[in-house]
Amino acid sequence: AQTVTQSQPEMSVQEAETVTLSCTYDTSESNYYLFWYKQPPSRQMILVIRQEAYKQQNATENRFSVNFQKAAKSFSLKISDSQLGDTAMYFCAFMKPPPISGTYKYIFGTGTRLKVLA
Amino acid sequence: GAVVSQHPSWVICKSGTSVKIECRSLDFQATTMFWYRQFPKQSLMLMATSNEGSKATYEQGVEKDKFLINHASLTLSTLTVTSAHPEDSSFYICSVVAGNILAKNIQYFGAGTRLSVL
Repeated sequence: AQTVTQSQPEMSVQEAETVTLSCTYDTSESNYYLFWYKQPPSRQMILVIRQEAYKQQNATENRFSVNFQKAAKSFSLKISDSQLGDTAMYFCAFMKPPPISGTYKYIFGTGTRLKVLA
Repeated sequence: GAVVSQHPSWVICKSGTSVKIECRSLDFQATTMFWYRQFPKQSLMLMATSNEGSKATYEQGVEKDKFLINHASLTLSTLTVTSAHPEDSSFYICSVVAGNILAKNIQYFGAGTRLSVL
Protein backbone atom coordinates (compact mmCIF):
# COMPACT_ATOMS: atom_id res chain seq x y z
CA ALA A 1 0.00 0.00 0.00
CA GLN A 2 1.11 3.51 -0.69
CA THR A 3 2.19 5.76 2.15
CA VAL A 4 3.08 9.44 2.32
CA THR A 5 5.39 10.83 5.00
CA GLN A 6 5.89 14.44 5.98
CA SER A 7 8.57 14.43 8.63
CA GLN A 8 8.36 18.10 9.61
CA PRO A 9 5.28 18.75 11.78
CA GLU A 10 6.05 22.46 12.09
CA MET A 11 8.32 24.95 10.41
CA SER A 12 8.82 28.68 10.44
CA VAL A 13 10.45 31.06 8.01
CA GLN A 14 11.11 34.76 7.91
CA GLU A 15 9.18 36.81 5.42
CA ALA A 16 10.96 37.03 2.03
CA GLU A 17 13.10 33.99 2.83
CA THR A 18 12.97 30.57 1.17
CA VAL A 19 11.72 27.42 2.85
CA THR A 20 11.57 23.79 1.76
CA LEU A 21 8.98 21.31 2.98
CA SER A 22 9.80 17.64 2.64
CA CYS A 23 7.61 14.77 1.52
CA THR A 24 8.52 11.16 0.86
CA TYR A 25 6.27 8.41 -0.36
CA ASP A 26 6.34 4.71 -0.86
CA THR A 27 4.89 3.01 -3.91
CA SER A 28 5.62 0.25 -6.37
CA GLU A 29 3.77 2.08 -9.12
CA SER A 30 5.62 3.74 -11.97
CA ASN A 31 2.86 6.08 -13.04
CA TYR A 32 1.23 8.35 -10.45
CA TYR A 33 0.56 11.95 -9.50
CA LEU A 34 1.79 14.03 -6.61
CA PHE A 35 0.25 17.17 -5.19
CA TRP A 36 0.86 19.84 -2.62
CA TYR A 37 -2.21 21.41 -1.05
CA LYS A 38 -2.32 24.37 1.26
CA GLN A 39 -4.86 24.70 4.08
CA PRO A 40 -4.81 28.21 5.55
CA PRO A 41 -6.60 29.10 8.81
CA SER A 42 -9.86 29.34 6.83
CA ARG A 43 -9.44 25.57 6.33
CA GLN A 44 -10.17 25.79 2.60
CA MET A 45 -7.92 23.30 0.81
CA ILE A 46 -6.14 24.96 -2.09
CA LEU A 47 -4.07 23.21 -4.75
CA VAL A 48 -0.55 24.61 -4.80
CA ILE A 49 1.21 22.45 -7.35
CA ARG A 50 0.92 19.15 -9.19
CA GLN A 51 3.51 16.76 -10.64
CA GLU A 52 3.09 13.81 -12.95
CA ALA A 53 5.56 11.03 -12.20
CA TYR A 54 6.36 10.44 -15.86
CA LYS A 55 7.60 14.00 -16.27
CA GLN A 56 11.22 14.55 -15.37
CA GLN A 57 10.86 18.31 -15.28
CA ASN A 58 10.02 19.74 -11.90
CA ALA A 59 6.72 21.61 -11.71
CA THR A 60 6.73 25.31 -10.87
CA GLU A 61 3.95 27.76 -10.06
CA ASN A 62 5.21 31.27 -9.49
CA ARG A 63 6.99 31.25 -6.12
CA PHE A 64 6.30 27.55 -5.59
CA SER A 65 8.44 24.80 -7.07
CA VAL A 66 9.06 21.16 -6.38
CA ASN A 67 12.12 18.95 -6.31
CA PHE A 68 10.84 15.63 -7.58
CA GLN A 69 13.28 12.77 -7.16
CA LYS A 70 11.52 9.69 -8.48
CA ALA A 71 14.19 7.17 -7.61
CA ALA A 72 14.40 8.48 -4.08
CA LYS A 73 10.60 8.82 -3.87
CA SER A 74 10.93 12.35 -2.68
CA PHE A 75 8.72 15.33 -3.50
CA SER A 76 9.74 18.49 -1.66
CA LEU A 77 8.10 21.89 -1.98
CA LYS A 78 10.14 25.05 -2.12
CA ILE A 79 8.52 28.36 -1.35
CA SER A 80 10.55 31.37 -2.44
CA ASP A 81 10.10 34.92 -1.19
CA SER A 82 7.80 33.72 1.58
CA GLN A 83 4.80 35.91 2.33
CA LEU A 84 2.65 36.20 5.41
CA GLY A 85 -0.22 34.73 3.41
CA ASP A 86 1.76 31.53 2.98
CA THR A 87 1.12 30.71 6.64
CA ALA A 88 -0.87 27.50 6.47
CA MET A 89 -0.87 23.76 6.84
CA TYR A 90 0.69 22.09 3.82
CA PHE A 91 -0.29 18.59 2.78
CA CYS A 92 1.51 16.35 0.34
CA ALA A 93 -0.74 13.91 -1.53
CA PHE A 94 -0.19 10.88 -3.73
CA MET A 95 -2.61 9.56 -6.31
CA LYS A 96 -2.38 6.45 -8.41
CA PRO A 97 -4.29 6.75 -11.66
CA PRO A 98 -7.38 4.59 -11.42
CA PRO A 99 -8.31 1.77 -13.74
CA ILE A 100 -10.99 2.63 -16.26
CA SER A 101 -13.83 2.28 -13.78
CA GLY A 102 -11.93 3.22 -10.64
CA THR A 103 -11.63 6.28 -8.44
CA TYR A 104 -9.12 9.02 -7.83
CA LYS A 105 -8.30 8.55 -4.18
CA TYR A 106 -5.61 10.67 -2.65
CA ILE A 107 -3.31 9.48 0.08
CA PHE A 108 -2.41 12.44 2.23
CA GLY A 109 0.60 13.00 4.42
CA THR A 110 0.18 14.21 7.99
CA GLY A 111 0.92 17.79 7.06
CA THR A 112 3.48 20.47 7.89
CA ARG A 113 2.37 23.60 9.68
CA LEU A 114 4.26 26.55 8.21
CA LYS A 115 4.40 29.91 9.90
CA VAL A 116 5.79 32.90 8.07
CA LEU A 117 7.22 35.47 10.46
CA ALA A 118 7.13 39.21 9.85
CA GLY B 1 -10.68 27.55 -11.36
CA ALA B 2 -13.27 25.01 -10.32
CA VAL B 3 -15.69 26.00 -7.60
CA VAL B 4 -17.19 23.70 -5.01
CA SER B 5 -19.85 24.95 -2.64
CA GLN B 6 -20.32 23.23 0.70
CA HIS B 7 -23.19 24.10 3.01
CA PRO B 8 -23.58 24.74 5.88
CA SER B 9 -20.19 26.02 6.98
CA TRP B 10 -21.03 25.47 10.64
CA VAL B 11 -23.80 23.57 12.31
CA ILE B 12 -24.62 22.94 15.95
CA CYS B 13 -27.09 20.24 16.80
CA LYS B 14 -28.41 18.29 19.74
CA SER B 15 -27.33 14.75 20.35
CA GLY B 16 -29.62 12.28 18.60
CA THR B 17 -30.60 14.54 15.72
CA SER B 18 -29.53 14.15 12.09
CA VAL B 19 -27.57 16.69 10.10
CA LYS B 20 -27.31 16.99 6.34
CA ILE B 21 -24.31 18.55 4.62
CA GLU B 22 -24.46 19.50 0.96
CA CYS B 23 -21.64 19.58 -1.56
CA ARG B 24 -22.31 21.25 -4.89
CA SER B 25 -20.12 21.41 -7.93
CA LEU B 26 -20.83 24.80 -9.47
CA ASP B 27 -18.68 24.84 -12.57
CA PHE B 28 -18.71 21.31 -13.90
CA GLN B 29 -20.26 17.90 -13.75
CA ALA B 30 -18.73 15.79 -11.00
CA THR B 31 -19.00 12.08 -11.53
CA THR B 32 -17.02 11.44 -8.36
CA MET B 33 -17.10 13.26 -5.04
CA PHE B 34 -15.22 12.46 -1.87
CA TRP B 35 -16.10 13.03 1.77
CA TYR B 36 -13.37 13.56 4.32
CA ARG B 37 -13.26 14.07 8.05
CA GLN B 38 -10.57 16.14 9.69
CA PHE B 39 -9.79 16.32 13.39
CA PRO B 40 -8.00 19.38 14.80
CA LYS B 41 -4.40 19.65 13.66
CA GLN B 42 -4.61 16.36 11.79
CA SER B 43 -4.71 15.27 8.20
CA LEU B 44 -7.78 14.52 6.12
CA MET B 45 -9.28 11.10 6.60
CA LEU B 46 -11.21 9.76 3.62
CA MET B 47 -14.64 8.54 4.69
CA ALA B 48 -16.24 7.58 1.40
CA THR B 49 -16.30 7.98 -2.34
CA SER B 50 -19.56 9.19 -3.78
CA ASN B 51 -20.39 8.14 -7.32
CA GLU B 52 -23.28 9.68 -9.22
CA GLY B 53 -26.18 7.32 -9.60
CA SER B 54 -24.71 4.51 -7.54
CA LYS B 55 -24.02 3.58 -3.95
CA ALA B 56 -21.15 5.24 -2.17
CA THR B 57 -18.02 3.29 -1.38
CA TYR B 58 -17.07 3.59 2.28
CA GLU B 59 -13.60 3.28 3.72
CA GLN B 60 -12.88 0.61 6.25
CA GLY B 61 -14.15 1.53 9.69
CA VAL B 62 -16.69 4.10 8.49
CA GLU B 63 -20.27 3.19 9.37
CA LYS B 64 -22.39 3.52 6.26
CA ASP B 65 -25.62 3.58 8.26
CA LYS B 66 -24.23 6.41 10.35
CA PHE B 67 -22.94 8.50 7.49
CA LEU B 68 -25.46 8.36 4.66
CA ILE B 69 -24.25 9.60 1.31
CA ASN B 70 -26.45 10.44 -1.64
CA HIS B 71 -25.11 11.53 -5.03
CA ALA B 72 -28.32 12.01 -6.93
CA SER B 73 -27.05 14.34 -9.62
CA LEU B 74 -23.82 15.29 -11.32
CA THR B 75 -23.64 18.47 -9.27
CA LEU B 76 -24.81 17.49 -5.80
CA SER B 77 -23.74 15.04 -3.13
CA THR B 78 -25.05 15.04 0.42
CA LEU B 79 -23.67 13.58 3.62
CA THR B 80 -26.17 12.95 6.41
CA VAL B 81 -24.85 12.27 9.88
CA THR B 82 -27.64 10.25 11.46
CA SER B 83 -28.36 10.27 15.18
CA ALA B 84 -25.37 12.48 15.80
CA HIS B 85 -23.41 12.16 19.03
CA PRO B 86 -20.68 14.37 20.52
CA GLU B 87 -17.99 12.06 19.14
CA ASP B 88 -19.22 12.92 15.63
CA SER B 89 -18.19 16.52 16.18
CA SER B 90 -15.55 17.25 13.58
CA PHE B 91 -14.72 19.13 10.40
CA TYR B 92 -16.18 17.52 7.28
CA ILE B 93 -14.84 18.35 3.82
CA CYS B 94 -16.03 17.34 0.39
CA SER B 95 -14.09 17.33 -2.84
CA VAL B 96 -14.94 16.72 -6.46
CA VAL B 97 -13.19 15.39 -9.52
CA ALA B 98 -14.41 17.03 -12.67
CA GLY B 99 -15.51 14.70 -15.40
CA ASN B 100 -14.35 17.01 -18.15
CA ILE B 101 -10.82 17.53 -16.90
CA LEU B 102 -10.05 13.97 -15.91
CA ALA B 103 -6.60 14.17 -17.36
CA LYS B 104 -5.52 16.49 -14.58
CA ASN B 105 -6.76 14.15 -11.82
CA ILE B 106 -7.24 17.09 -9.50
CA GLN B 107 -9.58 17.18 -6.53
CA TYR B 108 -11.25 20.51 -5.82
CA PHE B 109 -12.33 21.00 -2.24
CA GLY B 110 -15.27 22.62 -0.54
CA ALA B 111 -14.70 25.04 2.32
CA GLY B 112 -15.73 22.45 4.89
CA THR B 113 -18.43 22.10 7.52
CA ARG B 114 -17.79 22.31 11.21
CA LEU B 115 -20.18 20.05 13.07
CA SER B 116 -20.65 20.50 16.79
CA VAL B 117 -22.91 18.01 18.55
CA LEU B 118 -24.04 19.03 22.03
